[in-house]
Amino acid sequence: DADVTQTPRNRITKTGKRIMLECSQTKGHDRMYWYRQDPGLGLQLIYYSFDVKDINKGEISDGYSVSRQAQAKFSLSLESAIPNQTALYFCATSDSYGSTDTQYFGPGTRLTVL
Amino acid sequence: GQQVMQIPQYQHVQEGEDFTTYCNSSTTLSNIQWYKQRPGGHPVFLIQLVKSGEVKKQKRLTFQFGEAKKNSSLHITATQTTDVGTYFCAGYAGNNRKLIWGLGTSLAVNP
Repeated sequence: DADVTQTPRNRITKTGKRIMLECSQTKGHDRMYWYRQDPGLGLQLIYYSFDVKDINKGEISDGYSVSRQAQAKFSLSLESAIPNQTALYFCATSDSYGSTDTQYFGPGTRLTVL
Repeated sequence: GQQVMQIPQYQHVQEGEDFTTYCNSSTTLSNIQWYKQRPGGHPVFLIQLVKSGEVKKQKRLTFQFGEAKKNSSLHITATQTTDVGTYFCAGYAGNNRKLIWGLGTSLAVNP
C-alpha cells in the first residue's frame, strides 16, 4: 500500500552492525506494527505501538528495539545484527476507530546479515 | 498460548479446480480476517468476519466463520492464475490486543 512506506527496501549488512529500518505512513492511523517474515513461519510480531507513548513487545522482540518518533513514523533497530535476523521485515498500520482494525502493510524490507 | 492453525501449508491445483484453506483456533475469536500475499508482495486485507456462522462472498471467493467462532475457511471456485499467493487468516481473541496469525497456505495454480 503506497500509504505505508519502508526504507530501505533492501539492505545487506555484516554481523555486529547496527541497522535501522524506517516506516512512515500517511494514513493517519494511530497503530503501527513491525513484523518479521521467514519462509514457512508466517508473520511474527516484533513490536507494536498503539500510540506514540504506547509501545509493546511482540512475540520475538529480543535483539530488536523500536522508536515511535511521531504518529506517522515507527522505526525498528537491530542493535547488533546477527545472521539469523536475515528475513523480510514488514511494517503495518491500523486504525483504532471502528470495528475492523484492518492492517495495512508496507512493501517490506529485505534484510541480509552476513 | 493462543494459536491459529492453518491447513494445508501448500496446495497445488490445475487452473479451474477449486481450492479451500482452513483456519482453526485454540480459542474463541472475536473476529477473523483474511489476507492475501502475492509472490514478492506484501499481505493485503481481503475480508473480516465477525458473526458466528457468517458467510461472505467476493466473486469466486467464499469465506465462512464457524458457529463456535473457532474456525474459518476460504474457498475459491474455479481457480485462476491470478489466485496464486499465500492466504493468511488472523484473528483477535478475548482482550488480546494483537492479531493472532496463521502460518498461511501457499497456493500454486498450473495454467
